[in-house]
Amino acid sequence: KNQVEQSPQSLIILEGKNCTLQCNYTVSPFSNLRWYKQDTGRGPVSLTIMTFSENTKSNGRYTATLDADTKQSSLHITASQLSDSASYICVVSVGNSGYALNFGKGTSLLVTP
Amino acid sequence: GAVVSQHPSWVICKSGTSVKIECRSLDFQATTMFWYRQFPKQSLMLMATSNEGSKATYEQGVEKDKFLINHASLTLSTLTVTSAHPEDSSFYICSAEFGANYGYTFGSGTRLTVV
Repeated sequence: KNQVEQSPQSLIILEGKNCTLQCNYTVSPFSNLRWYKQDTGRGPVSLTIMTFSENTKSNGRYTATLDADTKQSSLHITASQLSDSASYICVVSVGNSGYALNFGKGTSLLVTP
Repeated sequence: GAVVSQHPSWVICKSGTSVKIECRSLDFQATTMFWYRQFPKQSLMLMATSNEGSKATYEQGVEKDKFLINHASLTLSTLTVTSAHPEDSSFYICSAEFGANYGYTFGSGTRLTVV
């Protein structure tokens, strides 16, 4: 069964601190992995997308890593800002079924002053 | 960049009425669009895949007669919630893929409240 597990479920950090969110998956065959940021009451916004051969990808203060061997990904947020408070969703695509996406339940991040 | 516009952003309707939600790809053509439903603090759940010029493909457990999907053009898909009930209250989101390297672009979502 294809599954995407994210941890922690929620996280509170002080403004300016760094944090790392985790995503473990059992999706097979793997196509790509995407991280999205979803503000409350809004649709998800793409942060990064990585294929099998990519180990790391950055988007400003967001850096995603991928270990296809262990089927793990992480999203590192540097120098957090209050606006980073949101839900971060890991989405893994199945390789041979076109549009099949497997969503994690997300990590709810709260950045406090 | 790729933009998916979703309208309305929120709607309140009475039980028994129907509500239409529009999803437009603004600067690209989308042969396929997707409709999701999201409950509070839950992940997105795929409801159906909307295919331009053909019937939508519904996920197991989703009533196709209740959630009518029309994808009449390459830039517009609509979801109509028919005979809405309070249990249909939820956050509905559409998406489309701009290109393999860009991931899926999501609309801003529609908060439906049925009273």
